[in-house]
Amino acid sequence: AQTVTQSQPEMSVQEAETVTLSCTYDTSESDYYLFWYKQPPSRQMILVIRQEAYKQQNATENRFSVNFQKAAKSFSLKISDSQLGDAAMYFCAYRRRNNDMRFGAGTRLTVKP
Amino acid sequence: NAGVTQTPKFQVLKTGQSMTLQCAQDMNHNSMYWYRQDPGMGLRLIYYSASEGTTDKGEVPNGYNVSRLNKREFSLRLESAAPSQTSVYFCASSETGTAKNIQYFGAGTRLSVL
Repeated sequence: AQTVTQSQPEMSVQEAETVTLSCTYDTSESDYYLFWYKQPPSRQMILVIRQEAYKQQNATENRFSVNFQKAAKSFSLKISDSQLGDAAMYFCAYRRRNNDMRFGAGTRLTVKP
Repeated sequence: NAGVTQTPKFQVLKTGQSMTLQCAQDMNHNSMYWYRQDPGMGLRLIYYSASEGTTDKGEVPNGYNVSRLNKREFSLRLESAAPSQTSVYFCASSETGTAKNIQYFGAGTRLSVL
């Protein structure tokens, strides 16, 4: 079974600074998708960014970008110019085929003013 | 823009009681999902419905049943609740069940079984 590991249960960053959240996954497949979801205290799961495994170019969404290392099975999330509203739980997720999405245990990000 | 709506938001049950969690989406999505989220763990898939009229087991289906009532609605039923089912339950939907499609989530239902 595919597994997703987030090795940092908690991280903190100073407002306006940059932080990187780590994620590794285990798979023998070559075609799959990776996601980062944000879960603020409201509990709503919000998609932050998505990466297709067949694309070498790293995905970027405004202040959020990923470092996708397919050979190393690593998918880290970089948040630039951190804002107070970025404080949340962040979940990395892997999806290979229909309806089979696996989540990591999450990283709690604190943003210090 | 309602998106995915779950009811109720909170529920407390006694062991052995039954209840149904409701989920509705207004995005005309074909696929719908039920997940549970336990402390220190990511979301785990309970059941999914790839399209209206079909349902399939996910990673942790034991103790649950589902009904895809129509294209909009997908309910999760606990026939005889157990303390191990204390969790936060999320419903999600996506345009289709293919891997590339983004899943949109509801706000969750916090369930406590005493």
